[in-house]
Amino acid sequence: DGGITQSPKYLFRKEGQNVTLSCEQNLNHDAMYWYRQDPGQGLRLIYYSQIVNDFQKGDIAEGYSVSREKKESFPLTVTSAQKNPTAFYLCATALGNSYEQYFGPGTRLTVT
Amino acid sequence: AQKVTQAQTEISVVEKEDVTLDCVYETRDTTYYLFWYKQPPSGELVFLIRRNSFDEQNEISGRYSWNFQKSTSSFNFTITASQVVDSAVYFCALTPRLDGANNLFFGTGTRLTVIP
Repeated sequence: DGGITQSPKYLFRKEGQNVTLSCEQNLNHDAMYWYRQDPGQGLRLIYYSQIVNDFQKGDIAEGYSVSREKKESFPLTVTSAQKNPTAFYLCATALGNSYEQYFGPGTRLTVT
Repeated sequence: AQKVTQAQTEISVVEKEDVTLDCVYETRDTTYYLFWYKQPPSGELVFLIRRNSFDEQNEISGRYSWNFQKSTSSFNFTITASQVVDSAVYFCALTPRLDGANNLFFGTGTRLTVIP
């Protein structure tokens, strides 16, 4: 079935380690997005990509990196430079000429 | 600059009551889209509705209805005869049409609890 997959659902890391969150989609959507959600706050955009091999910074890109080598995949790396990495991370996709974004189930990252 | 305000942080209602979630937005763009999303306890955001800024008709979908008023920059969401399954966090969001990246600007959400 079509959808957006994020794995794992829960991720635990030690401070100082880089960690990569995966996002895979088989909806054939061109655009993909990464958001961060903190308790009591809305979603904030980290990075987005509208086509393969191209991506742009969102509002809170510092300490994160992404790649878009394939249309189906948009992995997010949380680097050790990210000061407060513990959060809920959501991946989303959208058709190029449509404006609804569809979200994956999310990954809850805890860094201690 | 774009901004979405959901002033109601938490709302509790008893099952079968009607409830309205408020959303006020700010944008300088004349063309934009407004959205509502539902986030149940599982965490995944579920798309509910998209509204074009040129279309001010109210919309009804089952127990859900949306009231869009450009004059007051509001896009309120009403659930009629609420059910326990409606318990979730609801987000209002905005994207300006001229934002080629289709970026969504979210409010901080309203947590709705429906008490059986």
